[in-house]
Amino acid sequence: DIQMTQSPSSLSASVGDRVTITCRASQGISNSLAWYQHKPGKAPNLLLYGTSILESGVPSRFSGSGSGTDYTLTISSLQPEDFATYYCQQFYSTPGTFGPGTEVDIK
Amino acid sequence: QVHLVESGGGVVQPGRSLRLSCAASGFTFSSYGMHWVRQAPGKGLEWVAVISSDGNNRYYADSMKGRFTISRDNSKNTLYLQLSSLRSEDTAVYYCAKDRGEMAINKILDYWGQGTLVTVSS
Repeated sequence: DIQMTQSPSSLSASVGDRVTITCRASQGISNSLAWYQHKPGKAPNLLLYGTSILESGVPSRFSGSGSGTDYTLTISSLQPEDFATYYCQQFYSTPGTFGPGTEVDIK
Repeated sequence: QVHLVESGGGVVQPGRSLRLSCAASGFTFSSYGMHWVRQAPGKGLEWVAVISSDGNNRYYADSMKGRFTISRDNSKNTLYLQLSSLRSEDTAVYYCAKDRGEMAINKILDYWGQGTLVTVSS
């Protein structure tokens, strides 16, 4: 199975900050990467897939980049509703493994 | 509007079984693969299983193979997960999720339910 890691595991940021989260796969995944946002008690929400394709309805402040084994999620200007846990997931092979998550909380 | 509603969770003793259901609406259920994903308390998301749109192909996480069975009834727009030989480490919120690919599994999960809690305890 492909293993996914994320860094940092948590971060504190203020509204308006630029936030970057990194995800690394144990082998190349050919841009087959998705990002999800998850708030406590809520259903997870797909943000991006194919590394950089924004899901319909997701604000443009979210963006993704990367290739090979290394990928990033960037929030250009953090908004109050963005405080949540973010997960990367590879869909290159089965099982579609998730990263351990990055919790973004208020500084 | 896509809607997924899980049910069937509860408290169950170790070694016992439980069946979870996921009622789907707002899309052509029979055209999409469906997944189960779980989240143990204080932990991250863990993919559990996927079933193809016609039910003929099923894949499981290694740790659940042989104990969990995913199935679907396209006439009822319902997804199932049969949990057997439950262990304390199976305690989690179980989510059903729709695959983004039509008539093909691509493992991108574009809609999720709110989850149902399974607690394995004596």
